[in-house]
Amino acid sequence: GENVEQHPSTLSVQEGDSAVIKCTYSDSASNYFPWYKQELGKRPQLIIDIRSNVGEKKDQRIAVTLNKTAKHFSLHITETQPEDSAVYFCAANEWGGGSQGNLIFGKGTKLSVKP
Amino acid sequence: DGGITQSPKYLFRKEGQNVTLSCEQNLNHDAMYWYRQDPGQGLRLIYYSQIVNDFQKGDIAEGYSVSREKKESFPLTVTSAQKNPTAFYLCASSMGQGAMQYFGPGTRLTVT
Repeated sequence: GENVEQHPSTLSVQEGDSAVIKCTYSDSASNYFPWYKQELGKRPQLIIDIRSNVGEKKDQRIAVTLNKTAKHFSLHITETQPEDSAVYFCAANEWGGGSQGNLIFGKGTKLSVKP
Repeated sequence: DGGITQSPKYLFRKEGQNVTLSCEQNLNHDAMYWYRQDPGQGLRLIYYSQIVNDFQKGDIAEGYSVSREKKESFPLTVTSAQKNPTAFYLCASSMGQGAMQYFGPGTRLTVT
């Protein structure tokens, strides 16, 4: 089945610096890659997503890149702010092994932005 | 986000008791999901349903049961057979297979 690996597990940056979180996946049929942000005790919220027909997508300070050949995708946050501090999850949909497009999640990256 | 609700927010039970967690959505989504979240483990899929009156086991279904009698509702029962039930449970919904998922606020279950 699909395996999604996410790195690093923790990331600490200074306010104003950039942060990069990387994920790899194994199912070559995966075609949808969302990123979720989860603040402590709250629900995960979608911050950006990308489909396999696009190599890069940007939304203000957040961008996602996708390399289908290498099966990896990354989240880039520029000009980080303290309110960016949270746990970030990547996911990829799985189509093999009887799965029906269910999302498989990475284990998360705890981002801390120091003022 | 506001279209999917879970209740209660916190739930406490004694070991050996079954407990049912509620999940309701008014987004007219066909698909609904239940995830379990433990510290450092990400989100693991328990059960999912792509259509009313049909549901499938996820990766960690043992000790859990679900029903999907209405499109809007997908309750999860944590049975006494679940060995480590204490966790944060998240319900989600999507328009269909492989689509964007919206999450409910979660229920934190503590079993002692």
